[in-house]
Amino acid sequence: DAGVIQSPRHEVTEMGQEVTLRCKPISGHDYLFWYRQTMMRGLELLIYFNNNVPIDDSGMPEDRFSAKMPNASFSTLKIQPSEPRDSAVYFCASSSGGETQYFGPGTRLLVL
Amino acid sequence: GDSVTQMEGPVTLSEEAFLTINCTYTATGYPSLFWYVQYPGEGLQLLLKATKADDKGSNKGFEATYRKETTSFHLEKGSVQVSDSAVYFCALINSGTYKYIFGTGTRLKVLA
Repeated sequence: DAGVIQSPRHEVTEMGQEVTLRCKPISGHDYLFWYRQTMMRGLELLIYFNNNVPIDDSGMPEDRFSAKMPNASFSTLKIQPSEPRDSAVYFCASSSGGETQYFGPGTRLLVL
Repeated sequence: GDSVTQMEGPVTLSEEAFLTINCTYTATGYPSLFWYVQYPGEGLQLLLKATKADDKGSNKGFEATYRKETTSFHLEKGSVQVSDSAVYFCALINSGTYKYIFGTGTRLKVLA
């Protein structure tokens, strides 16, 4: 299996622009997680889905962030409008059953 | 609430030295415990896990034992290699939830 696939790997954008991060989970996995990693705050869970349904979005920082999972093989995390404080590495992870999670390589986002 | 505390890094060792990275946790119920490793520029990879008290997780020469009496899950390796240089994260997940609680991570640097 190719593992969790994320795109783009790097994104540089200007403040106010819309940013869309993409994730393809491991085939057959029924849980999908979005995390954000920064030096200051460490790893934070933003939202997770089970069978394409959002279960817990309490970690989403504010209304500028939204996530969707239209089908079992694709999810997006959107930031609109982006701000410099959104600069971070965003990870997607997937799991079968929810416990052991498999992480993608991450998207490094820089908002200028 | 649940929490994980890891020793501060960075930890710098010479090749073939003995490694211990301390991890203690606070949790209600009976959590599962994990160690993840993050190599530079990559996502997190599961290193080992333990799901109940006195279980020992092991992988690639690393070991950790779930100690309920001391609420600890210390990571050990008898002889580290340069290739073990990475950031190590201790984490827990409580039964009935799928939200990892991560420690802040401990950076390990192994010198040849």
